[in-house]
Amino acid sequence: DAGVTQSPTHLIKTRGQQVTLRCSPKSGHDTVSWYQQALGQGPQFIFQYYEEEERQRGNFPDRFSGHQFPNYSSELNVNALLLGDSALYLCASSLAGLWNTEAFFGQGTRLTVV
Amino acid sequence: GENVEQHPSTLSVQEGDSAVIKCTYSDSASNYFPWYKQELGKRPQLIIDIRSNVGEKKDQRIAVTLNKTAKHFSLHITETQPEDSAVYFCAAGVGTGGFKTIFGAGTRLFVKA
Repeated sequence: DAGVTQSPTHLIKTRGQQVTLRCSPKSGHDTVSWYQQALGQGPQFIFQYYEEEERQRGNFPDRFSGHQFPNYSSELNVNALLLGDSALYLCASSLAGLWNTEAFFGQGTRLTVV
Repeated sequence: GENVEQHPSTLSVQEGDSAVIKCTYSDSASNYFPWYKQELGKRPQLIIDIRSNVGEKKDQRIAVTLNKTAKHFSLHITETQPEDSAVYFCAAGVGTGGFKTIFGAGTRLFVKA
């Protein structure tokens, strides 16, 4: 059973550019959440997707947007990159339900903005 | 906005001793409290979680307690081993029909052999 997979593993972009990160959830999971983890910090919640809709959003600007596909995979898009966007971007999948359930994390995408 | 404070930021214990990490959350609607362990260069992995309708949960050497009135929850690791050395994150989940999980800043635990 494949866990949560993210691509690419590493990425270097120039300030002002746009980037797309991808996530495939664990088999059987239908909900995907994205997090930004700066060095030495805890993951910061960006947003959560379920049934192809954004269901919850953290305190991130509109430059951060996402998408979920019918097969539950998801993309995170960041426009007009800033140096401060350099971080590890983590995707986590879970199974929707009345209660919040265990989330499984991917290995992350290390984004460096130069 | 929602916030989770975690203490201490660094904790050093001798092998075999106990370790305690404490967290405080701000949103009283939070109903799910997971704890994650993250080893260097690896993904966070769930070690234990507790829901708001339970006050305490134990899994072998790990236990978590929740005080909803005080909005406090704590992780207890007994008989620590060198392989317990890692960064531990507490988190608070809130929402219905879509959940937001707010993480603490992390505690770096060192277990000395």
